[in-house]
Amino acid sequence: KNEVEQSPQNLTAQEGEFITINCSYSVGISALHWLQQHPGGGIVSLFMLSSGKKKHGRLIATINIQEKHSSLHITASHPRDSAVYICAARGYNTDKLIFGTGTRLQVFP
Amino acid sequence: DAGVIQSPRHEVTEMGQEVTLRCKPISGHNSLFWYRQTMMRGLELLIYFNNNVPIDDSGMPEDRFSAKMPNASFSTLKIQPSEPRDSAVYFCASSPPGTRYNEQFFGPGTRLTVL
Repeated sequence: KNEVEQSPQNLTAQEGEFITINCSYSVGISALHWLQQHPGGGIVSLFMLSSGKKKHGRLIATINIQEKHSSLHITASHPRDSAVYICAARGYNTDKLIFGTGTRLQVFP
Repeated sequence: DAGVIQSPRHEVTEMGQEVTLRCKPISGHNSLFWYRQTMMRGLELLIYFNNNVPIDDSGMPEDRFSAKMPNASFSTLKIQPSEPRDSAVYFCASSPPGTRYNEQFFGPGTRLTVL
């Protein structure tokens, strides 16, 4: 069993739909990262959170420390949101990230 | 800000050859990370440095891999000898000093193909 698991692996949506990507982890963490990898391969850090919720534009990330679960939400999805979304857990006293396998999102117009 | 710079962007080599990947972190950042991404295993941390000192190299696959950071603005990842299973995209990332929880800024990656 992977230490960081994501679901679903693949997700398709129509433009405008509300999207949720889930991440569960089995290790103790100091922070949880959400990354976006574009079709061209570039990786961008979206969020880093250790509690509660963060919002940036149409993106919202939440984390429940007790349940060891995080979600990434996209409101009013757009084709340009099509990418692979990766969650990564950082343990205590380390900068090492353990990555989930990613969720491939395709948003159709 | 130029972002994290990696070179080369693409490398094709033959099995047995030495390969050197290069990374220039964002100026002022004091942590540098080397990652490998494959279809089978996804993203994996190979090694990371803090203030030019290797902190965790537990992800380095074997002795064929070595990484150095001679100064705050340059790092190399070397594979010698290379093997076809080393084919992957290698990312370098850096993060700034300051609070404990810092985001990482990724370079564009080097796509390595070993024939």
